[in-house]
Amino acid sequence: EIVLTQSPGTLSLSPGERATLSCRASQSVSSRYLAWYQQKPGQAPRLLIYGASSRATGIPDRFSGSGSGTDFTLTISRLESEDFAVYYCQQYGNSPCSFGRGTKLEIK
Amino acid sequence: EVQLVESGGGLVQPGGSLRVSCAASGFTFSSSWMSWVRQAPGKGLEWVANIKQDGSEKYYADSVRGRFTVSRDNTRNSLSLQMNSLRAEDTAVYYCARSVLPSAAALLQHWGQGSLVIVSS
Repeated sequence: EIVLTQSPGTLSLSPGERATLSCRASQSVSSRYLAWYQQKPGQAPRLLIYGASSRATGIPDRFSGSGSGTDFTLTISRLESEDFAVYYCQQYGNSPCSFGRGTKLEIK
Repeated sequence: EVQLVESGGGLVQPGGSLRVSCAASGFTFSSSWMSWVRQAPGKGLEWVANIKQDGSEKYYADSVRGRFTVSRDNTRNSLSLQMNSLRAEDTAVYYCARSVLPSAAALLQHWGQGSLVIVSS
């Protein structure tokens, strides 16, 4: 099973700042099958990014994904108040699919 | 609008059984791979199982294989997870989710609101 390590565990930033979240895989992720999800308290996860860099339907362009192989990044260019949440990366190219432990993005 | 509505969660004793279900609407259920994902209280996401469009292929996480069974009824647009020999570590919110890829690769575009299962004596 591919293990995904997300860093940092918690990121404290202010609205308007840039956020950079990292996801490192224990082995290469097939065909860039790497996704990012956002989860707010009491809600289900929401798909943000798939294929490492493609935005899901309705996702603002301040969210962007990059990377390949074993290193991936989610960037939020200018944080808005609704962006403070927990973010998970997921690889879905190898079975079983696996999730990282999450990065909590909190207001500084 | 895609809707996934889970039901059937609750409190069960260790060693007991429980069945959670998911009612789907707003898309062609019979054309979609479906998954179950769980989240223990205060913890991250864990993929549990998925099932092919026609039910002919099913895959499970090692942590539940042999105890959980995923099934579907395409005539009722319904997905189920039968959970047997439950353990305290199975306590979680169980989410039903739809994959948007026509393969076992679980890219989960749509999620239900979740159903809480508590395993405790």
